[in-house]
Amino acid sequence: LAKTTQPISMDSYEGQEVNITCSHNNIATNDYITWYQQFPSQGPRFIIQGYKTKVTNEVASLFIPADRKSSTLSLPRVSLSDTAVYYCLVGGDDYKLSFGAGTTVTVRA
Amino acid sequence: NAGVTQTPKFRILKIGQSMTLQCTQDMNHNYMYWYRQDPGMGLKLIYYSVGAGITDKGEVPNGYNVSRSTTEDFPLRLELAAPSQTSVYFCASMGVEGGKNIQYFGAGTRLSVL
Repeated sequence: LAKTTQPISMDSYEGQEVNITCSHNNIATNDYITWYQQFPSQGPRFIIQGYKTKVTNEVASLFIPADRKSSTLSLPRVSLSDTAVYYCLVGGDDYKLSFGAGTTVTVRA
Repeated sequence: NAGVTQTPKFRILKIGQSMTLQCTQDMNHNYMYWYRQDPGMGLKLIYYSVGAGITDKGEVPNGYNVSRSTTEDFPLRLELAAPSQTSVYFCASMGVEGGKNIQYFGAGTRLSVL
């Protein structure tokens, strides 16, 4: 299992961009990187997934440098409803997917 | 589609009792997972399955058992409940959509062992 390290918490204000960096130094060649969002009393929900370079969808962007030892989730123009815990996962062919402690993002008005 | 359904939503057990947490998915996914989440913590992998008849241990399997007799169902069994098993349990299934491996989670089962 590739271990991941994320900041415990981040604070932001509405309308700002939030960038969360995840470190995964021992990522394997076939591993991909996935980010999930979790609200209180709910199961996590898929946000974005990538293998290298940059991936963008309607809610977020994922930046992965060439060495793939880290990745950054970017949430543009956050709102109060983006307050949640964000998890970075690294997984590959064994499908043994473990979550780390996550990053609690608090968005203030 | 119902997605991933977990039952029950809440349960209180006495120490030493046993119970089965049910999980069923209607997306025909091969991969299924059980996680536990303690208050204020991340999710820890208990067991997972890559297909019917195949299961494997995760990070914290002690005190739990699983079976996977069908693609749809992945029950989690607690044989001798202990207070340390008080937690929220999430079941997930994983499939491929748009070339991405995506886990879909149930609503969770809140278990208290007293």
